[in-house]
Amino acid sequence: NAGVTQTPKFQVLKTGQSMTLQCAQDMNHNSMYWYRQDPGMGLRLIYYSASEGTTDKGEVPNGYNVSRLNKREFSLRLESAAPSQTSVYFCASRTTGVSNQPQHFGDGTRLSIL
Amino acid sequence: AQTVTQSQPEMSVQEAETVTLSCTYDTSESNYYLFWYKQPPSRQMILVIRQEAYKQQNATENRFSVNFQKAAKSFSLKISDSQLGDTAMYFCAFMKHNAGNMLTFGGGTRLMVKP
Repeated sequence: NAGVTQTPKFQVLKTGQSMTLQCAQDMNHNSMYWYRQDPGMGLRLIYYSASEGTTDKGEVPNGYNVSRLNKREFSLRLESAAPSQTSVYFCASRTTGVSNQPQHFGDGTRLSIL
Repeated sequence: AQTVTQSQPEMSVQEAETVTLSCTYDTSESNYYLFWYKQPPSRQMILVIRQEAYKQQNATENRFSVNFQKAAKSFSLKISDSQLGDTAMYFCAFMKHNAGNMLTFGGGTRLMVKP
């Protein structure tokens, strides 16, 4: 059972470089999410996609773009990386068929920007 | 906007004892869901327990149970018979029932279970 798969697991970038974080889920979930987790803090929502073909901003969207490529895949792009974007990034997905279902998370991507 | 507060940054408990982690939230919604997630050093986010706001009965999952006080907007997690494997960060999370079903997380409580 793969669940939610994120690639890469680790990445180091230089300031100003661009990068796309990939996320894929095999649970046929409608909704997908991108969060960031800074040291000692909870997760904060960057962007989400409630269903295929839609994307919306979360709490901290500045500096990021997303693409819902198809039902399975939801990518996060940093166009010009900044040190403030050093964080651990989590992708999650959720079915919308049952109201009390939780989000299922990937294992995270640790991103360092020098 | 919703806010979730976990007032205990760190806690410790002896193995086999019971510990309670606190969580309060602020919302004007009447229909919502609450979750506790565990994040061990491996960094995975693991669902521990969930509670629907419309249910008065407190949720239980084996050694884990919640004390849900809707009027007080409180959602505490009780871990009974603590085990070394319970050592982790614990996050309380709120989900409003809407099209996005987004999660709002608290800042977390770091729990150390001591042998």
